[in-house]
Amino acid sequence: DAGITQSPRYKITETGRQVTLMCHQTWSHSYMFWYRQDLGHGLRLIYYSAAADITDKGEVPDGYVVSRSKTENFPLTLESATRSQTSVYFCASNPRDFNNQPQHFGDGTRLSIL
Amino acid sequence: GDSVTQMEGPVTLSEEAFLTINCTYTATGYPSLFWYVQYPGEGLQLLLKATKADDKGSNKGFEATYRKETTSFHLEKGSVQVSDSAVYFCALKMIKAAGNKLTFGGGTRVLVKP
Repeated sequence: DAGITQSPRYKITETGRQVTLMCHQTWSHSYMFWYRQDLGHGLRLIYYSAAADITDKGEVPDGYVVSRSKTENFPLTLESATRSQTSVYFCASNPRDFNNQPQHFGDGTRLSIL
Repeated sequence: GDSVTQMEGPVTLSEEAFLTINCTYTATGYPSLFWYVQYPGEGLQLLLKATKADDKGSNKGFEATYRKETTSFHLEKGSVQVSDSAVYFCALKMIKAAGNKLTFGGGTRVLVKP
C-alpha cells in the first residue's frame, strides 16, 4: 500500500547508544519532516528536508542527525542517545506545493532510552 | 514568530454533547489553518482545513471557520461519539513558508464517555 511507514514502531535502548529511526514514503513527496511529541510540548520539528540531499534544522535539532540520499527515505539518527530523547517520533511528508497541501504523517516510533 | 494557542485539556464529554475546542493564532500575514486528529497509537490525520478568511472547513461532522478579525479557528461538533475520543491539534502554515513548515498548537485531548 502507498503511504508513509516508520520503523521500528517501538524501540528500547540505553544511553550512549546510537539508534536510527527509519521513514519511507511512496508518494515521491519532495518535503519530509521529523517531529518529536512530548507531553506538554505538543509536536516539535527536529529536521526537515526539501528534496534529496537538502536538509535543514527545525526547532530542536541538537543531538540528532538526518540524511536524505533518496527522495523516499529520511532516516533520523541519535548518535549518542540520552534519556531526554525518550519520546514519540513522527515522520511526515508533503508534496512540493505552496497551495497549502496538508502534511501526511506516519504512525510514529515510540523510543525509550534507559 | 508564528504561534498557535489551543485550550488545554483534557476535555471530558458525554456522548451526543456539543464539542468546542478553541484555537487562536499569531502570524505575520495570512496563514492557512488546519485541524489534525490523533487517535490512540496512531499518527496525525488531517481533519479539515481553511485557506482564507471566512472559509469554513468541515469533515466527519466537525466544522471550523477561519476568523481573521479574531485570529481564531475554533473546532466544533454538534454531537460527539465515543469514537471521537482523540487528541486534536490546530496548526498553521504561511503561504510559501520556508520548508512548507507547519506550526502546531499543544494539542487538546478529548475523552467522550458513553
